[in-house]
Amino acid sequence: GAVVSQHPSWVICKSGTSVKIECRSLDFQATTMFWYRQFPKQSLMLMATSNEGSKATYEQGVEKDKFLINHASLTLSTLTVTSAHPEDSSFYICSARSGQGHNEQFFGPGTRLTVL
Amino acid sequence: RKEVEQDPGPFNVPEGATVAFNCTYSNSASQSFFWYRQDCRKEPKLLMSVYSSGNEDGRFTAQLNRASQYISLLIRDSKLSDSATYLCVVNGNTGFQKLVFGTGTRLLVSP
Repeated sequence: GAVVSQHPSWVICKSGTSVKIECRSLDFQATTMFWYRQFPKQSLMLMATSNEGSKATYEQGVEKDKFLINHASLTLSTLTVTSAHPEDSSFYICSARSGQGHNEQFFGPGTRLTVL
Repeated sequence: RKEVEQDPGPFNVPEGATVAFNCTYSNSASQSFFWYRQDCRKEPKLLMSVYSSGNEDGRFTAQLNRASQYISLLIRDSKLSDSATYLCVVNGNTGFQKLVFGTGTRLLVSP
């Protein structure tokens, strides 16, 4: 199946710093990428949807100025958590969709962010 | 009301048992339905899509009841390796490319 990678797999940072997470589709072109967040014992919550070359669409309650998304190419999307705070500590997962045929999304392995 | 609801479990079953999970969804216009499996601290992985006619993949059988808006997953002959959280997923209210995840049902298979 299609492979999606994320980097880094985990990160620990101080409060107030910014963290960038990369999501790459390795063997297909992803017209759409999605960013999710998952808190312990909760479901994945969609944060935003990004299409290559256009601005991301954020879900209600997600601050676009805090969670900056860039989808500059068909194989790369980045999520930057700006001025991170402890409440931003979570598991961030991206997924990618090729746009051809089915609705299947391929998930990256996730990035565990801990803000001290 | 949540868009996708599942019993969180855990379901504790012995090896070899048959176990079934149900899930209900609120959007009657949903067109795509899936079961994903998520292991602890890992990303979700697609287990199977769910079709109106029902479908089977080895020990796993998925059913869809559109009238009642529920989806089921049946696992036969449970293995230790089946222990995981099973996520019911449907496409969302406001965009058919968006997936909405249930909170998952945790399964623990014991020797």
